[in-house]
Amino acid sequence: RKEVEQDPGPFNVPEGATVAFNCTYSNSASQSFFWYRQDCRKEPKLLMSVYSSGNEDGRFTAQLNRASQYISLLIRDSKLSDSATYLCVVNNNAGNMLTFGGGTRLMVKP
Amino acid sequence: SAVISQKPSRDICQRGTSLTIQCQVDSQVTMMFWYRQQPGQSLTLIATANQGSEATYESGFVIDKFPISRPNLTFSTLTVSNMSPEDSSIYLCSVEDRTGGNGYTFGSGTRLTVV
Repeated sequence: RKEVEQDPGPFNVPEGATVAFNCTYSNSASQSFFWYRQDCRKEPKLLMSVYSSGNEDGRFTAQLNRASQYISLLIRDSKLSDSATYLCVVNNNAGNMLTFGGGTRLMVKP
Repeated sequence: SAVISQKPSRDICQRGTSLTIQCQVDSQVTMMFWYRQQPGQSLTLIATANQGSEATYESGFVIDKFPISRPNLTFSTLTVSNMSPEDSSIYLCSVEDRTGGNGYTFGSGTRLTVV
């Protein structure tokens, strides 16, 4: 079983749609959780951190369920510019090692 | 957040040769991380580079193949040695973004093709 698992997609959605990505992690000792965005041929960039209380940044909402070891990202009112690969990332704080999910590809179409 | 300058951005190399990739950070950082992203895959940690000590390598990666230097707190190099086509990949460095308060910042990556 992979340490961090994501549905690879692709998710093809129309502009304005709401789309949700899920991620599960296997290491119960994991401490920090992130969603990164990676555009084609670019480096990953931090989209948002994920907190137990849930957090929202504009159209993006991230949630963490420690009991189920599950992380989600919700994107509302999708824009064409949201098209990218979304990486679920977990830090177990042992040497600050990040473990990446395989990524979920999103394609927003007009 | 921290700014990383990574060079080269891309290269095409002959098998059997070596390529050294550089990362320069605009602030002092304790640890720098080197990742590989194979085509269509996510990122895999190669090693963690600490200033003043040997790098710590992850399972499947060895110092002879991927020697790392960390001469000071703002700079690191990764060498891909004795390259084969299987080494064709994107290599990225990363630092913890303490100034940003959270998360990690990545260099722009080096796209390596071995022919």
